[in-house]
Amino acid sequence: AQSVTQPDIHITVSEGASLELRCNYSYGATPYLFWYVQSPGQGLQLLLKYFSGDTLVQGIKGFEAEFKRSQSSFNLRKPSVHWSDAAEYFCAVGDPVEGGKLIFGQGTELSVKP
Amino acid sequence: EADIYQTPRYLVIGTGKKITLECSQTMGHDKMYWYQQDPGMELHLIHYSYGVNSTEKGDLSSESTVSRIRTEHFPLTLESARPSHTSQYLCASSENGAQPQHFGDGTRLSIL
Repeated sequence: AQSVTQPDIHITVSEGASLELRCNYSYGATPYLFWYVQSPGQGLQLLLKYFSGDTLVQGIKGFEAEFKRSQSSFNLRKPSVHWSDAAEYFCAVGDPVEGGKLIFGQGTELSVKP
Repeated sequence: EADIYQTPRYLVIGTGKKITLECSQTMGHDKMYWYQQDPGMELHLIHYSYGVNSTEKGDLSSESTVSRIRTEHFPLTLESARPSHTSQYLCASSENGAQPQHFGDGTRLSIL
């Protein structure tokens, strides 16, 4: 069965520091991979997606993620964090065969220190 | 920017009431989804639809029901609300299985 693991429940970084949020997945083939961000009281906003091709994908708000097949990982990175990046981040796996159904990780809450 | 709307945003209601959570999208997407999310937790798929008159249960068992009579509308109903139904409910849609899902802002439901 598919699964997504985000090992870090809560991360705190200083404003201006770099950020890496980890995501590992379990899937038999190459899945569709997504990162979403959720601000308090809001829905989810898509940051970036990977379907195929270049393993380094660029997203909105200066985020990028790298797909590593050998490690079954899709880690999210940002070189310099802004206070407005404080939010909950969710990694998700989509099954191309299942027609778009997503499996979500439990999320990583990001806090940003001034 | 995706146009998907959920109403109400917040609902506090007593046990035993019938509740309908509304979800509408203006993008003509065939696929629509309902997720349940408890505070600080991941999203769990409870219902999905691949088109008009198509509805399926998701991975998480739910006492709610859904209908899909029109492409743009995917309401979720609880016939008799209980405190265990207290949660946030998120609706999403996508053009097809190879496209990302777009989410509404959610309905935060509290059953007293």
